[in-house]
Amino acid sequence: EDQVTQSPEALRLQEGESSSLNCSYTVSGLRGLFWYRQDPGKGPEFLFTLYSAGEEKEKERLKATLTKKESFLHITAPKPEDSATYLCAVREYSSASKIIFGSGTRLSIRP
Amino acid sequence: NAGVTQTPKFQVLKTGQSMTLQCAQDMNHEYMSWYRQDPGMGLRLIHYSVGAGITDQGEVPNGYNVSRSTTEDFPLRLLSAAPSQTSVYFCASSYAVSGDQETQYFGPGTRLLVL
Repeated sequence: EDQVTQSPEALRLQEGESSSLNCSYTVSGLRGLFWYRQDPGKGPEFLFTLYSAGEEKEKERLKATLTKKESFLHITAPKPEDSATYLCAVREYSSASKIIFGSGTRLSIRP
Repeated sequence: NAGVTQTPKFQVLKTGQSMTLQCAQDMNHEYMSWYRQDPGMGLRLIHYSVGAGITDQGEVPNGYNVSRSTTEDFPLRLLSAAPSQTSVYFCASSYAVSGDQETQYFGPGTRLLVL
């Protein structure tokens, strides 16, 4: 069964304390892996798309990386405004119209 | 561009009532989809459409109907609401399902409570 698992469920960091969020996936053939940010009471906001192992993308304090079995979202020197839930999702070749989401990591950054 | 809009923002229904959740986008996107989000679970795909007149089922389609008569609109119908349908519903759209234009844009959500 295709699965997307995110860890940890919740993460509390001090401002400036770098860390990483994990997204592991089991699909028959990865077409693309997506990272979203979701603020309370709002819809997910797109961050990155990764297509192949070894690929990396950066945006401000965020950097996403991809291996054959998992993806990491690295957060460098986070600020309180980075507090949100971060969602990972995958699209596979066999059913390109469908995206499978993980349950997310709730990130809280204390000033 | 308004992006993806959803109405209503919040709705309370009684068991057995029917209603339609509205979704519209002004980006000329071909692909539209409906998700539900429940605590501790990821977004789950209900129904999707790859273009006007074409719809298909996602992971959790039971109890929901959709239609796509225009590119812009993709309403979700609850035929006979049940407490298990209490959730937050998100509509999303993208220009394509692959390549550079597959980024999905989400609406603000509709919070549904079924009593």
